[in-house]
Amino acid sequence: GENVEQHPSTLSVQEGDSAVIKCTYSDSASNYFPWYKQELGKGPQLIIDIRSNVGEKKDQRIAVTLNKTAKHFSLHITETQPEDSAVYFCAASVFDYALNFGKGTSLLVTP
Amino acid sequence: EAGVVQSPRYKIIEKKQPVAFWCNPISGHNTLYWYLQNLGQGPELLIRYENEEAVDDSQLPKDRFSAERLKGVDSTLKIQPAELGDSAVYLCASSLDLGTDNEQFFGPGTRLTVL
Repeated sequence: GENVEQHPSTLSVQEGDSAVIKCTYSDSASNYFPWYKQELGKGPQLIIDIRSNVGEKKDQRIAVTLNKTAKHFSLHITETQPEDSAVYFCAASVFDYALNFGKGTSLLVTP
Repeated sequence: EAGVVQSPRYKIIEKKQPVAFWCNPISGHNTLYWYLQNLGQGPELLIRYENEEAVDDSQLPKDRFSAERLKGVDSTLKIQPAELGDSAVYLCASSLDLGTDNEQFFGPGTRLTVL
């Protein structure tokens, strides 16, 4: 089955800096790659997603890039703010079937 | 519009006891998922429903876990008997339709502690 690896497991940045989280996947059939943000005591919330026919997608301060050949995709957050502090999960799936999640990155943005 | 509703939010039981979790998806969402999230890990799929049909239950430990979605709306996940290793957060998610540009919306989860 699909195996998604996510790095780093923890990331600390200063407010205003950029944060980058990287994921790799194993199943070349995967074509849907969402990113979720999970705050303490809450369920994951989709922040951005990308499909395999697109190499990059941007939404305000958040961007995702996909390299299908290398089977890796990354989340980029610019101008980080304290409210960006949370656990971020990448996931991969074939179409929109069951999501295979990475282990998460705990992001801390310090003022 | 209300999101995915789950209850209870927290449950503490002793091992070997039964427990049940309830989920009400977003209105109109025909696909419902149950995920298990262990501490420090990403969610893992237990079962996926399309309407009332379980279309993927390959990861559900069927010796002790069961689920139902009788009318294709709300769903119940049951564990009987519970084991210490079942302590985790049980997440429910729903999406509008399978195979289209559908986002999975997650509920807040039920945190289970087995003593």
